[in-house]
Amino acid sequence: DIAMTQSPDSLAVSLGERATINCKSSRSIFYSSNKKNYLSWFQQKPGQPPKLLIYWASTRESGVPDRFSGSGSGTDFTLTISSLQAEDVAVYFCQQYYDSVPTFGQGTKVEI
Amino acid sequence: QVLLQESGPGLVKPSETLSLTCTVSGGSISSDYWSWIRQPPGKGLEWIAYIYNGGSTKYNSSLKGRLIISVDTSRNQFSLKLSSVTAADTAVYYCARQTTHDYHDSNGVSKQWFNWFDPWGQGILVTVSS
Repeated sequence: DIAMTQSPDSLAVSLGERATINCKSSRSIFYSSNKKNYLSWFQQKPGQPPKLLIYWASTRESGVPDRFSGSGSGTDFTLTISSLQAEDVAVYFCQQYYDSVPTFGQGTKVEI
Repeated sequence: QVLLQESGPGLVKPSETLSLTCTVSGGSISSDYWSWIRQPPGKGLEWIAYIYNGGSTKYNSSLKGRLIISVDTSRNQFSLKLSSVTAADTAVYYCARQTTHDYHDSNGVSKQWFNWFDPWGQGILVTVSS
């Protein structure tokens, strides 16, 4: 199985500042045939299911604010919140769908 | 809009079988991949199993031997049975859908693969305790 490792485990960011979350896969999740990275990002608030933010590593889901952006390729990926808002306090997970066994990162808790 | 809803008992005794059902509305269960994912309290997400093409299955090897995932297309539902449960199986259990995309493999053959998880059900907390 492909292991997904996020860093940091938690971070505290001031309102309006940038938050950066990293995700590393144990092997490449880039498929050269279609030039796509098989990575998604989710946001989870307490008592709620994960909410899809980003897929194909950098495509924002409809309705997701443009302060959320995804980047990276191969094995190293980043989720950036450009200007943190109070409602962004949550746990963020990356997930690969390259392999027949989907796997998640351990999560990163973002606090104010 | 596709919606998913989990149902089943919230309390299961150790060594017994956990049984959950996911009801899908707003779309057909005959296409796409349909998964169970769990999250122990305060911990991360673990994919458990999926069913696709109306009956093909794949299981997480760490749980294989205790799992059965099945589908009832007439009711637009899919189900999970996890046997011989222990306290370690206490978790919020989610059902989720994965749509598919077409791609060409290295030989140029057209194939299909699954996408990201979306949407998810609200989740159901299952506690294993006597």
